[in-house]
Order: sequence, then C-alpha cells, then structure tokens
Amino acid sequence: DVKVTQSSRYLVKRTGEKVFLECVQDMDHENMFWYRQDPGLGLRLIYFSYDVKMKEKGDIPEGYSVSREKKERFSLILESASTNQTSMYLCASSLSPGATNEKLFFGSGTQLSVL
Amino acid sequence: GQQVMQIPQYQHVQEGEDFTTYCNSSTTLSNIQWYKQRPGGHPVFLIQLVKSGEVKKQKRLTFQFGEAKKNSSLHITATQTTDVGTYFCAVSRYGNKLVFGAGTILRVKS
Repeated sequence: DVKVTQSSRYLVKRTGEKVFLECVQDMDHENMFWYRQDPGLGLRLIYFSYDVKMKEKGDIPEGYSVSREKKERFSLILESASTNQTSMYLCASSLSPGATNEKLFFGSGTQLSVL
Repeated sequence: GQQVMQIPQYQHVQEGEDFTTYCNSSTTLSNIQWYKQRPGGHPVFLIQLVKSGEVKKQKRLTFQFGEAKKNSSLHITATQTTDVGTYFCAVSRYGNKLVFGAGTILRVKS
C-alpha cells in the first residue's frame, strides 16, 4: 500500500513564525498535493506538483509556498504564519501526471494552530 | 470557488436507515470520485465513476453518475455505526487537479 507520511500530527506556532510542513511518499508517485481542510469548506487545494522542482498554484496559494527538491518529498511553507492559517493540512499523492482520473492517497494530516 | 455543490451538509440517521448524499455541478464532468473520511482520520478513496449513467455498488454502498454527467449520488442502505464519517465527492479540473465538495457528515444513532 502507498504510504504518505506527514512529519507532525499536531503543531502549535506563533504569529509571524516561519512554518515548514513536510510530506513524504514511498510509492514513486509523480503528483503531490497540499490541501487544507476547514469545517464546512471541505478540502481546498493550496499547491500541487507534478514533477521535481515543478509546482502549480491551487485555489488558495496566498501566504504559502512549496518546495519539491526530491520526487518523494513535498514541503509546504508558511513564510509568516497568521491566525487564519490555523487549519488541518493534508498532503496527498497520485501516480501519474496528465491523467484526470488518478485517485489520491492522503497522509494523516497536520493540525496546525497559530496563536 | 468550488466546482461542485454537495448536499446535505449534515445528516443524522438511526442505525438501519438509508442515507444519500448528492453532488451537483453546473458543468459536465469528465469523471467523479468519492472519498470517505472517518472521524479523526484522513480521506480514503472509495470509487470513481466515468461513464454517463454509470452505477457501481460496493456492498451496501451504491454510487451513481447522472446521464448528463453533471451530478452524482452515494447511497448507503441500512446504515451501520461503521458508516459514520464525512463523505466527499471530488472532480477533476484543469488536468490532474482534484476539486472537492464541502462534504456530508454522517452520524448514525444506534
């Protein structure tokens, strides 16, 4: 089975801090995604990457950046954390680029609280 | 904004009752996926529908894709406490980006 691992289950940070959320997948998947999940809003796409060093903005990229230096690792960066970035962050991966019907495999999520 | 509307937002049923959640789009969809997220867990893929009018079953779960490929439903027959969680539909947009509905939270009273 595909394993998508997120480095932290819970994280508490202060306003203005730089925050790194790490995600690693072990199945050589091309695509990786970062979503945030908020009650009543479902999952909203922040950024995704379809190859090493490639990235594309999702629906809500403001305040975030990403890094994909290696195929298996996709990092989400909050340059200066704000309280409205308190949320559950979910990383996901899927097999191949260009396919519109690849299912996503999700990590367990990181609950980030910004105080 | 989101490409799909999912209703209801929340449903509380008695164990043994049926449950249905719906996803509706204003545009024709190439395919639709369904995911389940248990409380405290992460979304897990259930199924994908591709063809117009397609119906697929997984035990007590029945998935339908509308004839016009603009809507889909997930129906659970005789709910059990193991069915609790949030059910999401997801549709493809601009290639390999998946856009999720807001989800339907299912609670089951035993």
